[in-house]
Amino acid sequence: KQEVTQIPAALSVPEGENLVLNCSFTDSAIYNLQWFRQDPGKGLTSLLLIQSSQREQTSGRLNASLDKSSGRSTLYIAASQPGDSATYLCAVDAGTALIFGKGTTLSVSS
Amino acid sequence: DGGITQSPKYLFRKEGQNVTLSCEQNLNHDAMYWYRQDPGQGLRLIYYSQIVNDFQKGDIAEGYSVSREKKESFPLTVTSAQKNPTAFYLCASSPQRGGHEQFFGPGTRLTVL
Repeated sequence: KQEVTQIPAALSVPEGENLVLNCSFTDSAIYNLQWFRQDPGKGLTSLLLIQSSQREQTSGRLNASLDKSSGRSTLYIAASQPGDSATYLCAVDAGTALIFGKGTTLSVSS
Repeated sequence: DGGITQSPKYLFRKEGQNVTLSCEQNLNHDAMYWYRQDPGQGLRLIYYSQIVNDFQKGDIAEGYSVSREKKESFPLTVTSAQKNPTAFYLCASSPQRGGHEQFFGPGTRLTVL
């Protein structure tokens, strides 16, 4: 059964730091992996989608990588800002629906 | 303005009541999904639908029911059989099932009184 783990569960950094969020999954048979952002009490906003044949995707200050063979993905955030404070969720698509990790809650202080 | 809408934003249920959560999308997507989110937990799949008049149980379907009579609508009913319904409910859609980006609605927070 596919399981998704995110480390760390929480992270606090000062403004301007570059940071990496980690996501691991147990079964490499996936269609794609998505990274989402969730603000408190809100729905999910899709940040990046990496297809299983791709190695990375970039959007602005965000860069996500995917290593299917090792079952790992990272989300790199450059030059963090207080507005980046949120919970970040990764999810793998194994064909039925998305399987989510529990998220990393990021706090960026000014 | 394309997207997914959910209503109501907040819902309160008394013991023994059935309540229905609305989900509508105007993205022309075939697949729709319902997830449940509990504090400190990842999202878990309740039901999904690949096409009109078809739906399948997810990991935690007990105590829930759905219908898919129209492509744009996928309502979720939380029945009295669901023993712990207090949670945040999220609806999503994708062009098709499997391999496509999923888009999420703003969610409904259900509280049992």
